[in-house]
Amino acid sequence: QKEVEQNSGPLSVPEGAIASLNCTYSDRGSQSFFWYRQYSGKSPELIMFIYSNGDKEDGRFTAQLNKASQYVSLLIRDSQPSDSATYLCAVNILTGNQFYFGTGTSLTVIP
Amino acid sequence: DGGITQSPKYLFRKEGQNVTLSCEQNLNHDAMYWYRQDPGQGLRLIYYSQIVNDFQKGDIAEGYSVSREKKESFPLTVTSAQKNPTAFYLCASSRETSGRARWIYNEQFFGPGTRLTVL
Repeated sequence: QKEVEQNSGPLSVPEGAIASLNCTYSDRGSQSFFWYRQYSGKSPELIMFIYSNGDKEDGRFTAQLNKASQYVSLLIRDSQPSDSATYLCAVNILTGNQFYFGTGTSLTVIP
Repeated sequence: DGGITQSPKYLFRKEGQNVTLSCEQNLNHDAMYWYRQDPGQGLRLIYYSQIVNDFQKGDIAEGYSVSREKKESFPLTVTSAQKNPTAFYLCASSRETSGRARWIYNEQFFGPGTRLTVL
């Protein structure tokens, strides 16, 4: 069973704060990891991916991967109301080319 | 611009009807996927295809059918056998990486979705 677990939230943070979203996965064969942002009524938008242990930064977003702990996180610095959305964590196993998704964490940034 | 298109954006189905959702991509991806999303829930895989003329059932294939006659296209038919088809349907694509050791990561991109409602 290939599971991806996320806290469903909702997570609320004040504007300007750091939002921290967490995800764990069960299959050690998972090779690349993704964070998607999904606004209500819209399709998921890929915002970050990571495949090596450590941190990857892109603007206000930082993805962190710890394969030993089977843990991946997303930090959003200087959170803005426009960051309010559901964030989906996903993993890919290259052999078989399957993608597995968590159920998403709802984030609300309060002005 | 490369991307994935889905049509229609909204679709209404009467009881007993079959309907077909269109998905087209110009990203030159071999692999394509169909997911279903219900309110407040995650994505559930319906069907996927890693290469033209081949496709496999996902977790919830009952009541659905697909074809993959062209690399760019992966239409989904929701048949009358699908008892609860009201949902948001998402098409996605990616490179095909099975057995190819040179890939170290792969990304999946989504179309805008089709919202299907049963009347």
